[in-house]
Amino acid sequence: GESVGLHLPTLSVQEGDNSIINCAYSNSASDYFIWYKQESGKGPQFIIDIRSNMDKRQGQRVTVLLNKTVKHLSLQIAATQPGDSAVYFCAEGSGGSNYKLTFGKGTLLTVNP
Amino acid sequence: GAGVSQTPSNKVTEKGKYVELRCDPISGHTALYWYRQSLGQGPEFLIYFQGTGAADDSGLPNDRFFAVRPEGSVSTLKIQRTERGDSAVYLCASAGQGTDTQYFGPGTRLTVL
Repeated sequence: GESVGLHLPTLSVQEGDNSIINCAYSNSASDYFIWYKQESGKGPQFIIDIRSNMDKRQGQRVTVLLNKTVKHLSLQIAATQPGDSAVYFCAEGSGGSNYKLTFGKGTLLTVNP
Repeated sequence: GAGVSQTPSNKVTEKGKYVELRCDPISGHTALYWYRQSLGQGPEFLIYFQGTGAADDSGLPNDRFFAVRPEGSVSTLKIQRTERGDSAVYLCASAGQGTDTQYFGPGTRLTVL
């Protein structure tokens, strides 16, 4: 079936470095993508989203890149801080069904002080 | 403003019992979603409400699961004859009218003994 997956299950970075979290998706009909951050014991927190008519979108310290040719999505976090330590999920919604998000397994980001 | 709230935060029950999980969406949000998250996995879609009606319940695993949203605001997820395999975190999310961004609550951790 269709799925969203992550290349790296864990990522460890030094405080102040930039982080890149990658995600591959398989549903070519997906046209909405979203990144969530989930801290232990909490619900997913919205970070940034992007639609398939864009290839890049920037937020505060975060940038999402979308490459539809290879079905790849990435989240870049600038100047990573200890508070960024969490599990990061990408999710996709396909045309007309954005409400039904399909999540990947997640990447655990650890920021070392 | 207040985010999505869920009660209880934790629920421990015995196999075969009935449970109800409550979700209070962000005020004014018309769309409401239920997801289930098992340990180490991303959330999995269960059901989606637009207003009072269930627009899509294709993610409910079987007929032991049922959800209602009688007044288009608060929703209750009901699980009959609970099984140990139902143990998970049940997440609720809501979205404003005409938007796709889903904002999640903290979840209810259900443990079936």
